[in-house]
Amino acid sequence: DTGVSQDPRHKITKRGQNVTFRCDPISEHNRLYWYRQTLGQGPEFLTYFQNEAQLEKSRLLSDRFSAERPKGSFSTLEIQRTEQGDSAMYLCASSSYDISKGNEQFFGPGTRLTVL
Amino acid sequence: GQQLNQSPQSMFIQEGEDVSMNCTSSSIFNTWLWYKQDPGEGPVLLIALYKAGELTSNGRLTAQFGITRKDSFLNISASIPSDVGIYFCAGLWANSKLTFGKGITLSVRP
Repeated sequence: DTGVSQDPRHKITKRGQNVTFRCDPISEHNRLYWYRQTLGQGPEFLTYFQNEAQLEKSRLLSDRFSAERPKGSFSTLEIQRTEQGDSAMYLCASSSYDISKGNEQFFGPGTRLTVL
Repeated sequence: GQQLNQSPQSMFIQEGEDVSMNCTSSSIFNTWLWYKQDPGEGPVLLIALYKAGELTSNGRLTAQFGITRKDSFLNISASIPSDVGIYFCAGLWANSKLTFGKGITLSVRP
């Protein structure tokens, strides 16, 4: 399977703990995106990378959130001092930047975070 | 943040029927995408549209990019039970982040 993969698929943690999620994009894709989705809503943009450079961060991404893509391949999203409001599905997507094609983004299966 | 408008929130149809859903925005986009999401999974790309007025098909799915660049519609013909799911429209501007609608939950009665 050469699609986007995410690990873990589910994470339950206690308030105040730190959590880290991993995303492996489609291998030839140079762009990687993180989105957050809560129940009944569409995904909301958090941040994205082109290769290892983080090009944009949403205002949703508080100081407790940090994302990295150190070698331009996989990415990690860390949430420090988790709060109950962080409970959501965290989705990763990747794309091959091609101005002629409009940047189709392909999503992974997501990581479901529950903060108790 | 900005979201696209999708309504109604839910649709119920009989197997074999056609269904059409649309998506509107107050802003223009240069790409429209339609995704389907099953419970507990990530969205799966169905159709991508790149030009105003473009009409694109993918099997039983047909989608159009509105002339004003502020809307798009998706049509599913001859629905089957596996069409059940949540359908999201998403707009893209300047080749970066996607802006999504809230989705429409489709139920298909056998």
